[in-house]
Amino acid sequence: EPEVTQTPSHQVTQMGQEVILRCVPISNHLYFYWYRQILGQKVEFLVSFYNNEISEKSEIFDDQFSVERPDGSNFTLKIRSTKLEDSAMYFCASSLGRGSYNEQFFGPGTRLTVL
Amino acid sequence: GQSLEQPSEVTAVEGAIVQINCTYQTSGFYGLSWYQQHDGGAPTFLSYNALDGLEETGRFSSFLSRSDSYGYLLLQELQMKDSASYFCAVRDGTGGFKTIFGAGTRLFVKA
Repeated sequence: EPEVTQTPSHQVTQMGQEVILRCVPISNHLYFYWYRQILGQKVEFLVSFYNNEISEKSEIFDDQFSVERPDGSNFTLKIRSTKLEDSAMYFCASSLGRGSYNEQFFGPGTRLTVL
Repeated sequence: GQSLEQPSEVTAVEGAIVQINCTYQTSGFYGLSWYQQHDGGAPTFLSYNALDGLEETGRFSSFLSRSDSYGYLLLQELQMKDSASYFCAVRDGTGGFKTIFGAGTRLFVKA
């Protein structure tokens, strides 16, 4: 069964450093998403991406964040200058469409630890 | 803005039925979804309701009342492996389609 994959599974970085989190969505999916989940808290929407551009983003997704689909398979989230409060699990998800019935498939997540 | 309310914790015994409620407030509404998340795992889609009524998928059912801005997830014949967090989520139509999650309900299933 096709699945969303993410690398690395765990990333440790120093405050102020740049990190890139990588995702490979399901191959025929057209919509891609990033979410984050601070330990013990709810899943928070960051951004959705379609047709090589951001379709919507949340208030969390400020100028420190960017997303890119550099080739036909990868979807990346970059955090330019990490802060302690960026420590969280970051989930990538993809869906075939964005209509209401198109369920999102989540990857296993990348745990980001900012020291 | 958007908000979703669900109980923080529910405990039930194996074989029983449990209902997890969710009330929501959004500017636009395109349906209520439910996700399951085991500790250390990723959210997994369980069900979706766009229209009023009950949707059944095996042991899990989900209900929606749009007039009451209310829904619930019903889990039957509980098994130990159902111990997990359950999130209700809405697809918000304000400014586009983004999924807003509730804070989650932690379900403990006891033997």
